[in-house]
Amino acid sequence: GAVVSQHPSWVICKSGTSVKIECRSLDFQATTMFWYRQFPKQSLMLMATSNEGSKATYEQGVEKDKFLINHASLTLSTLTVTSAHPEDSSFYICSARRTPGQGAEKLFFGSGTQLSVL
Amino acid sequence: DAKTTQPTSMDCAEGRAANLPCNHSTISGNEYVYWYRQIHSQGPQYIIHGLKNNETNEMASLIITEDRKSSTLILPHATLRDTAVYYCIVRVNAGGTSYGKLTFGQGTILTVHP
Repeated sequence: GAVVSQHPSWVICKSGTSVKIECRSLDFQATTMFWYRQFPKQSLMLMATSNEGSKATYEQGVEKDKFLINHASLTLSTLTVTSAHPEDSSFYICSARRTPGQGAEKLFFGSGTQLSVL
Repeated sequence: DAKTTQPTSMDCAEGRAANLPCNHSTISGNEYVYWYRQIHSQGPQYIIHGLKNNETNEMASLIITEDRKSSTLILPHATLRDTAVYYCIVRVNAGGTSYGKLTFGQGTILTVHP
């Protein structure tokens, strides 16, 4: 099956620093990737939609200047949490949609990144 | 996307069938029923999806009622590794950039015990 690789699996950083999370589709091209956030004991919440070669679309309430998304190729999207603060500590998950015509009926998810901001 | 209602939690004995219900009484004619699961501290995993016919794959079976207002995910022989949160999601299986904006509810916590 299709594989989405997310790196790192976990990261601890100091308050005020920036953290970059990578999401790669390993065996298919993904024109669209999605970034979710999940707090403990809660469900996943969509943060933004990342489109290859264009600006990301952010959900209401998500600060685009704080959560920078880059989707420079058909296999890589990155999420950078800028000036991280303890309230940004969360489980971040990416997902990828196959390029249409390659069986786009389901999404493939990365394994998630646990961010802890001290 | 139509809203879904699932029980908060369920238990199942190892080796027995796990039947997870989902109500989606406001589902539209062009909306599919998707099931994903999330094992602790991992990303969600696709299980199965369907429109109106029952579906089966190597992981599970999906039974959709004739009026499509509810469905049941069946894990035929549950194992301890099936312990996870199971999400029932309904959405239009359309193309375009809006595809994939899955709206996750609270899901059902399935605990498989020995």
